[in-house]
Amino acid sequence: KQEVTQIPAALSVPEGENLVLNCSFTDSAIYNLQWFRQDPGKGLTSLLLIQSSQREQTSGRLNASLDKSSGRSTLYIAASQPGDSATYLCAVGTGGGADGLTFGKGTHLIIQP
Amino acid sequence: GAVVSQHPSRVICKSGTSVKIECRSLDFQATTMFWYRQFPKQSLMLMATSNEGSKATYEQGVEKDKFLINHASLTLSTLTVTSAHPEDSSFYICSASAADTQYFGPGTRLTVL
Repeated sequence: KQEVTQIPAALSVPEGENLVLNCSFTDSAIYNLQWFRQDPGKGLTSLLLIQSSQREQTSGRLNASLDKSSGRSTLYIAASQPGDSATYLCAVGTGGGADGLTFGKGTHLIIQP
Repeated sequence: GAVVSQHPSRVICKSGTSVKIECRSLDFQATTMFWYRQFPKQSLMLMATSNEGSKATYEQGVEKDKFLINHASLTLSTLTVTSAHPEDSSFYICSASAADTQYFGPGTRLTVL
C-alpha cells in the first residue's frame, strides 16, 4: 500500500527566504505526483503536476522535482512571501485518471513578515 | 477550464438525518469522480471511486451503506451521508478526472450535532 510522508510537518521562516519541502513515497510505481496548496478551511489549489517520466516542473517561484527511483519529491519555493503561508500537500497517483490519489499529511508553512 | 463545483459548501444537521452533497464538473465530462474525507489536521483520505453508470468502489473501512454514492451522469456525482452522527463531521472533497489529471472541488464542511 502506498504511503506518502511529508517533512517537515511545520515550518516557519522569515519573508524572503528560499525553502524546500520534502515528500517521500514508498512505492515507486507511480503515474504522477502533484503538489497542492490548502488554505485553512478551504479546498485544494493545484500547484504543480509532475508525470512519472519527468524530472521537474516549474511555475513562477515554485519548482518541484521528482526522483521516482528513490521515492522522493521536493517543492522549492523561492523568495518566500507572507501570502505563501498555507498547508502544502503532496499526492501521488498510480493509475492515471482511474485511481484516487494518496496524500501526505502536509507541511504547514508560515512565512513571517 | 476544468472547474469542479460542490454544493453545499457548508451544512449543519442533526444526528440521525441524511445529507446529500453534490459534485459537478462544470466544463468537462468525467467518467470517474472521487470522494475524499479530511478530518481536522489530517490529510485527505480517499473514500470511494465513482464511475458513471456503475457502482462505486469503496476503500477499505468505508461503509458503503452509510456513504451512498450515485454517479448518474458524466457531470454529476452525489454523496449521501445516511443517518449522520457527530463522528461523520468532516470536510468532504470531490475530484473529477480528465486527461489523467484530477480536478478538485472546493469541499463541503459537514457538521453533525
